[in-house]
Amino acid sequence: SQTIHQWPATLVQPVGSPLSLECTVEGTSNPNLYWYRQAAGRGLQLLFYSVGIGQISSEVPQNLSASRPQDRQFILSSKKLLLSDSGFYLCAWSPGNKLETQYFGPGTRLLVL
Amino acid sequence: GIQVEQSPPDLILQEGANSTLRCNFSDSVNNLQWFHQNPWGQLINLFYIPSGTKQNGRLSATTVATERYSLLYISSSQTTDSGVYFCAVSGNTPLVFGKGTRLSVIA
Repeated sequence: SQTIHQWPATLVQPVGSPLSLECTVEGTSNPNLYWYRQAAGRGLQLLFYSVGIGQISSEVPQNLSASRPQDRQFILSSKKLLLSDSGFYLCAWSPGNKLETQYFGPGTRLLVL
Repeated sequence: GIQVEQSPPDLILQEGANSTLRCNFSDSVNNLQWFHQNPWGQLINLFYIPSGTKQNGRLSATTVATERYSLLYISSSQTTDSGVYFCAVSGNTPLVFGKGTRLSVIA
C-alpha cells in the first residue's frame, strides 16, 4: 500500500532563517506531488505541484520554492522566512496517469517568530 | 479559475442528528472529492465523486454535475465526526478547495 511521509511534524523558525520541508511517498511510481499551505482558519492554498522529476509548477508567487530531485521526493524550501510563512504545510500525491483522489500527508506546522 | 463555495460555514449538531453539507462550483469539472480534516489536521479522503451517488457507512454523497453542486450527507452523527469538511474540484488543473464547513458534534 502507499504511504506518504512528511517531516518535521513541527518547526519553529526565526524570521530570515532558511526552510526545508521534505515529503516522500512509498509504494507508487510516477506520482503527481503537491504542496499546500493552510493558514490559520481553514482554506487550503495550492503552492506547487509536480508531474515528474524536475518539473515544478508554481501556483502562487512568493518566497518559497519547490524541488523534486527524485521520483517520490518533494521538497519545499525558502532562503529567508517571513512571518507570513507561518502555517500548516501539507504534501499530497495522486496517481500520475489518471484522475483520482489525492492522498495527504500528516502535515508540518511551521511557526515563524 | 473554478470557484468553490461550501455551506454552511459552521454547523453545530447534537449527537445522533443528521446533516447535509453543500458544495457549489462555478464550472464543469471532471474531479470532485470530499475530505474530512480531523482536529489534529489530518486530511482524510471521504469520496471521489465527480458524478452520481456513493455511500460509505453513515456518510453518503451525491454530485449533480450538470447543476454544478455536490452534497455530503452525515447520518446519526457522532462526536468523532467533528472537524472540517472540504469539497475540492478540478477540470484539467489541480484541485481547487472550498473554504470548508466546520462541524461540531456535541454529546
